[in-house]
Amino acid sequence: SYELTQPPSVSVSPGQTASITCSGNKLGDRYVYWYQQKTGQSPVLVIWQDNRRPSGIPERFSGSNSGNTATLTIRQTQPLDEADYYCQVRNRDSVDFGGGTKLTVL
Amino acid sequence: QVQLVQSGAEVKKPGSSVEVSCKASGGAFSNSVINWVRQAPGHGLEWMGGIFPISGKTKYAQRFQDRVTITADESSSTVYMTLRSLTSDDTAMYYCAREADWVANAYDIWGQGTTVTVSS
Repeated sequence: SYELTQPPSVSVSPGQTASITCSGNKLGDRYVYWYQQKTGQSPVLVIWQDNRRPSGIPERFSGSNSGNTATLTIRQTQPLDEADYYCQVRNRDSVDFGGGTKLTVL
Repeated sequence: QVQLVQSGAEVKKPGSSVEVSCKASGGAFSNSVINWVRQAPGHGLEWMGGIFPISGKTKYAQRFQDRVTITADESSSTVYMTLRSLTSDDTAMYYCAREADWVANAYDIWGQGTTVTVSS
């Protein structure tokens, strides 16, 4: 397996930029995916292949990945962005998720 | 648009088994890998395994290798996950999720989740 480390929580004020990190050994050599999970709901894909957005995901969401750290950036954060965010990588025969980061917008 | 609809909540005794189903409707099924991901209360996402229905080929997470079986019935577009020898640690929400080529094998569609409670 492959260990991914995320901060347990991040806080941001409405309208500001939130950055959620995901760390792993030589993570920049892999593709990283990000999922948003709101309370009581199933996860939703927000970033694939490091920095690509599925249709329907606002442009405020972006991603980057270099070295040992991938970052999910949410610009102009809104209260509706409050959720848990998980990074994910694919291994040869398995998948690993980070522990998740709770984003609080206050 | 494909939807994944899962079976209803289950309550099981320790030591028993549970089967959760995931039915695809509205689109292609057999040519996409369907994965199972679980989430214990207050915890993160954990990949359990997946199946490519058209071939029946499966992959399992090492920690579940001995206790989980994932199968597919193409005729009904349904994938099944069976977890055996249940303990209270298996109490969780179980999700199925489609792996899609168009997003480089990310999970683009998720089921609504099935709650499994293990209690004596």
